[in-house]
Formats: sequence, structure tokens, C-alpha cells
Amino acid sequence: KQEVTQIPAALSVPEGENLVLNCSFTDSAIYNLQWFRQDPGKGLTSLLLIQSSQREQTSGRLNASLDKSSGRSTLYIAASQPGDSATYLCAISGGGADGLTFGKGTHLIIQP
Amino acid sequence: DGGITQSPKYLFRKEGQNVTLSCEQNLNHDAMYWYRQDPGQGLRLIYYSQIVNDFQKGDIAEGYSVSREKKESFPLTVTSAQKNPTAFYLCASSIGNRGLSEAFFGQGTRLTVV
Repeated sequence: KQEVTQIPAALSVPEGENLVLNCSFTDSAIYNLQWFRQDPGKGLTSLLLIQSSQREQTSGRLNASLDKSSGRSTLYIAASQPGDSATYLCAISGGGADGLTFGKGTHLIIQP
Repeated sequence: DGGITQSPKYLFRKEGQNVTLSCEQNLNHDAMYWYRQDPGQGLRLIYYSQIVNDFQKGDIAEGYSVSREKKESFPLTVTSAQKNPTAFYLCASSIGNRGLSEAFFGQGTRLTVV
């Protein structure tokens, strides 16, 4: 059974720093990996989707990479802003019909 | 405006009562999902449906029921058999195609037992 781990569980950095969030998974037979953002009391907002055949995806200040062989993905946030403060979730699709397997998230605080 | 609408945003349930959470999507997606989120835990799958009139149990289906009579709608009923229903419930949808497509989520329903 796929297990997804996100490190660190919480992170607090000053505004303007570049930062990396980590996601690891135990089964490399994945179809895709998706990064989400969740604000307190809200639903999930999709940030980036990486298909298993891809190595990375970029959207604005966000860059996500995927290394299936090592079971790792990273989410790179450039020039962080206070508005980036949220919980970031990594989720894996194994190709079955049964949806995504989630990590527990990284709670990110960007200090003004 | 395409998306997934969950209602209500907040719901209070008395002991022994069944309650139904609504999830509607206008994305023309075939697949729909219900997840439960508890503090300190990842999202856990309750039920999923890949097509109208068909649905499957997820990892924590006990005490819950669903229906899929229309493509756009996937309501979740929390029955009195669910012993610890207080949680944040999230509905999601995707095009289908097994694992190849992006998942989109609603804004969630927070259920509290009173």
C-alpha cells in the first residue's frame, strides 16, 4: 500500500526566501503526483500536476519535480510572500480508480 | 463558473441522527470522490464513483453511504452508525481516465456532533 510522507511538517521562514518542500512515497509505480494548497478551513486548490513520464512542472514562482526511481518529489517556492502561508499537500495517484493517497502536509508560515 | 460546490459549509448533527452532505460539480467529470480530513492526519477516502449508478467503498466507508443518480451529484450521508463523525469532509472530481487526470476539490463541509 502506497505511503506518502511530507517533510518538514511545519516550516516558518522570512519573506523573500526561496524554499523547498519535500514529499516521498514508497511505491514508484505511480501515474501522477499532484501538489495542493489548503488555507485554514478551506478546500484544496490544485497547484501542479506531474505525470509519471514528466520530471518537472512550473507555474509562476512554483516548480515541482518528480524522481520516481527514488520515490521523491519537491515543491520549490521562489521569493516567498506572506500570501504563500498555507498547508501544502502532496498526493499520489496509483492509476487505480480509487483516487489519491495523501501526505499529511507541510504547514508553511511566511513571516512579513 | 466551473467548479465543485459543497453544501452546507457547516453542519451540526445530534447523536443518532443521519445527515446528508451535498456535492455538485459542473465540470462534466465522470469520477467523484469523498474524503475525510482530521487534524494531524492526511485525507482518507470514504467512497468513490467512476460513473453514474456505480460507486465503491474507500478505506473508511463504515457508517457512511452515497448515491450517484446523476453525473453532477454525489451526496454523502453520515449515518448514526458512524461513531466519530466530527471532521472536515471534502468532495473531489476528476475527468476519470484512471490516474491520468487532475483532481479538483470543493470548499468542504465541517460536520460537528452536538
